[in-house]
This record gives sequence, C-alpha cells and structure tokens, in this order.
Amino acid sequence: NAGVMQNPRHLVRRRGQEARLRCSPVKGHSHVYWYRQLPEEGLKFMVYLQKENIIDESGMPKERFSAEFPKEGPSILRIQQVVRGDSAAYFCASASQYSTEAFFGQGTRLTVV
Amino acid sequence: SQQGEEDPQALSIQEGENATMNCSYKTSINNLQWYRQNSGRGLVHLILIRSNEREKHSGRLRVTLDTSKKSSSLLITASRAADTASYFCATAPLIQGAQKLVFGQGTRLTINP
Repeated sequence: NAGVMQNPRHLVRRRGQEARLRCSPVKGHSHVYWYRQLPEEGLKFMVYLQKENIIDESGMPKERFSAEFPKEGPSILRIQQVVRGDSAAYFCASASQYSTEAFFGQGTRLTVV
Repeated sequence: SQQGEEDPQALSIQEGENATMNCSYKTSINNLQWYRQNSGRGLVHLILIRSNEREKHSGRLRVTLDTSKKSSSLLITASRAADTASYFCATAPLIQGAQKLVFGQGTRLTINP
C-alpha cells in the first residue's frame, strides 16, 4: 500500500472553507475509491472512479462533495463549504482493472474548526 | 447498510493465544478480503479469498469462507503484541460492473503482553 500517496496527511479548515484532498494511485492502477472513516467506525464508501469517469457515487453526499480522476494527475476529493460534521479521515484506495484487491493510502485527516 | 458485519466488535486476549474474528455479509460476492488498520494509519491488505475457495492460509493467518452461510472467519494463531489493531472484512459484491469494496465496522483486537 506504500504506492498510494495521499496529501495532505492533515488538513484543518474553518467552517465554510473548501477542502481539497489529493490521491495518487499506484502506478498503473486505473481505479480509485474514496472512503470516509469516523473515529472508532468502519470505512464508508463514497465514490468509485476510473480515469475521467465516475462509476459509482452512491456514497457521496448530494451537496458540497465532488470527486474527479482526470486523465493526468491525481484524483481529487473536493468538499465545499465544510461543516464540523465533515471532520473525519478520508482514505483513498486504488486497484487495477483486473482485481478488486485495493491498496490504501495513509489517509487525510480533515478537521473543521 | 454495510455489507460486512464483524463479530466481535472488540476482542482482548493474551499474547500467544489464538484470535478468531467473524464476518457476515448479505449478498452474493465475488470475493471477500480482510484488512488490518493500526491506530491512525491506513489499511493493509491481509488476504483475499474467492467465492469458490473455502480456506486460505498466509503465515499465521487462516481465513475460511462459507458462502452458504454468507460468513467468513479470520484466525490469527500465536498472537503477538504487534497484532493489536482493528481488522475489517470487505466484500466485493457480485454485481456486474461493480468493483467497490464494502467494509464492515471492524473488530478491535488487543493483544496483552
């Protein structure tokens, strides 16, 4: 899992600001997943993307949240007008097109103050 | 709701003992995977068992899968203090075109020296 790079590791935002979380998948992986984890809880699926396409966004809140995985560059999870309830650890994982074995990054811990 | 549900939610044993964690799921799956998460870190992939497999070993880990009961177990033999972590099962549902992993709430394992 060392191949998935997330940054920043820690992000502090004031209420109403925007948070941008970046994820660089394992080289050669075309599938990216974003998960959210609250303290002492499991991972909640948010969105599944392939290059330039959103495949499944059933776990994404309808408002303020968006994700992209452009042809070039990292995947971005964007949270607009953050609220205290957005505080959580956000994990990115990547997989190849041939397997569901996912490799996880170390996560971005978002704190909204 | 989460596909996988781990049992127990927390487990505390003495070093050297065996630890068994269970996972139940609801829908048909392509495969089931177990992950470990140390406090404040990302997830580490432990083992993947396919729907046509019944048992799999990796070092001190033994995973079983019973598709008729929609359940899996993870056994860690001769536990060590370093095994202290949260353990999650994740299922890859057997849905055409879907590759997302669905996680349970996890079992928090504590190994006492």
